[in-house]
Amino acid sequence: NAGVTQTPKFQVLKTGQSMTLQCAQDMNHNSMYWYRQDPGMGLRLIYYSASEGTTDKGEVPNGYNVSRLNKREFSLRLESAAPSQTSVYFCASIETSGRTYNEQFFGPGTRLTVL
Amino acid sequence: KQEVTQIPAALSVPEGENLVLNCSFTDSAIYNLQWFRQDPGKGLTSLLLIQSSQREQTSGRLNASLDKSSGRSTLYIAASQPGDSATYLCAVQNYGGSQGNLIFGKGTKLSVKP
Repeated sequence: NAGVTQTPKFQVLKTGQSMTLQCAQDMNHNSMYWYRQDPGMGLRLIYYSASEGTTDKGEVPNGYNVSRLNKREFSLRLESAAPSQTSVYFCASIETSGRTYNEQFFGPGTRLTVL
Repeated sequence: KQEVTQIPAALSVPEGENLVLNCSFTDSAIYNLQWFRQDPGKGLTSLLLIQSSQREQTSGRLNASLDKSSGRSTLYIAASQPGDSATYLCAVQNYGGSQGNLIFGKGTKLSVKP
């Protein structure tokens, strides 16, 4: 049981390049999330997927797209990277049932630098 | 808009001391509150989850309390050890908004000196 896994762990991009961050969970959770963590700003929600086949914007979605490929996988794509997207990106998942929200589990993070 | 504040931003204590970390939130309409630990360069490890109907949760030397009406939570660490050194994050899940997402405080960086 690996929990939430993310690839890659580190990435350096040049301005304008594109890339996809991968996330997978093996806990059969229905909801998945992408956050970014910046010094002095804390963690902020980029996009989330409440269930397979659905995605919605969070607090800071500009410059990103997401795909919920299946119940296990939720990817985050930067189409044209900008220096402002230099950050640490975390994927998380949770089992939700009606109005019950349980413990949220996080991946190890992807450290992205855009030059 | 929900805002989560953690005080102090940093704390340094000698080994063996009992300590309290504070978290406050502005909107009491929450499903639950979760405390995390983050080591430098690492991900978030969940420590305790308190549902809105609960008053406290305990795990080993950790005890977290929740007073939803006053918008406050505390994380009590007993007999602190150097291995407890990390950043501790508090987060709440709101009613409404992005389903199930967490709203985080900026954390308290704890240093326990041998």
